[in-house]
Amino acid sequence: EVQLVESGGGLVQPGRSLRLSCAASGFSFRQFQMTWVRQAPGKGLEWISYISSGGGNIYYADSVKGRFTISRDNAKNSLYLQMSSLRVEDTAVYYCARGDASGNFESPFDPWGQGTLVTVSS
Amino acid sequence: QSVLTQPPSVSGAPGQRVTISCSGSSSNIGAGYDVHWYQQLPGSAPKLLIYNYINRPSGVPGRFSGSRSGTSASLAITGLQADDEADYYCQSYDRSLSGRWVFGGGTKLTVL
Repeated sequence: EVQLVESGGGLVQPGRSLRLSCAASGFSFRQFQMTWVRQAPGKGLEWISYISSGGGNIYYADSVKGRFTISRDNAKNSLYLQMSSLRVEDTAVYYCARGDASGNFESPFDPWGQGTLVTVSS
Repeated sequence: QSVLTQPPSVSGAPGQRVTISCSGSSSNIGAGYDVHWYQQLPGSAPKLLIYNYINRPSGVPGRFSGSRSGTSASLAITGLQADDEADYYCQSYDRSLSGRWVFGGGTKLTVL
């Protein structure tokens, strides 16, 4: 079964850092592009970061550029999101999701993890 | 404000048909990029419902269908059931520098 499991969320003060992880199983992780999407409480979905299968291509939404860093360890079947200089408006459920194995930017996100909640508050 | 525009809510009685629209621009849907639809049941993660405008992943009932028209896409649900009540999001790729992968604001479907 293809599965993505996020971890690392929690309560953090503004200005601090947090690292999210996404453990992948049931597929050849190293072949697939991956992405992070977040959802603020009661709000819609927002794409925030993408990484290609080999990690050579990385993109960020303007809202997190310069503060968040996406990375992956293909040997450990894991995706990461290092978040720094956190703001109250970063409060959201963070989902990791899989793209496809061909590097096609148009491919859908499937599947998604269950999400991990990050709360930024003093 | 979302790059793709969806109605905030739609509703219908059990058994009826509803449609949800998704309007884009020349940098995303109008540029020919594929549109995908996701269903998010209350308290759950989004799930892929329709991909590349019209295709259903394995396990998605035929009651769900997608279509395309110019710079817009639509999701149709026929034979509404109570457990279709959820939020639905469209998504595409955008070639502008300010955003890459974009979502609609989401549509809340209420089954009356």
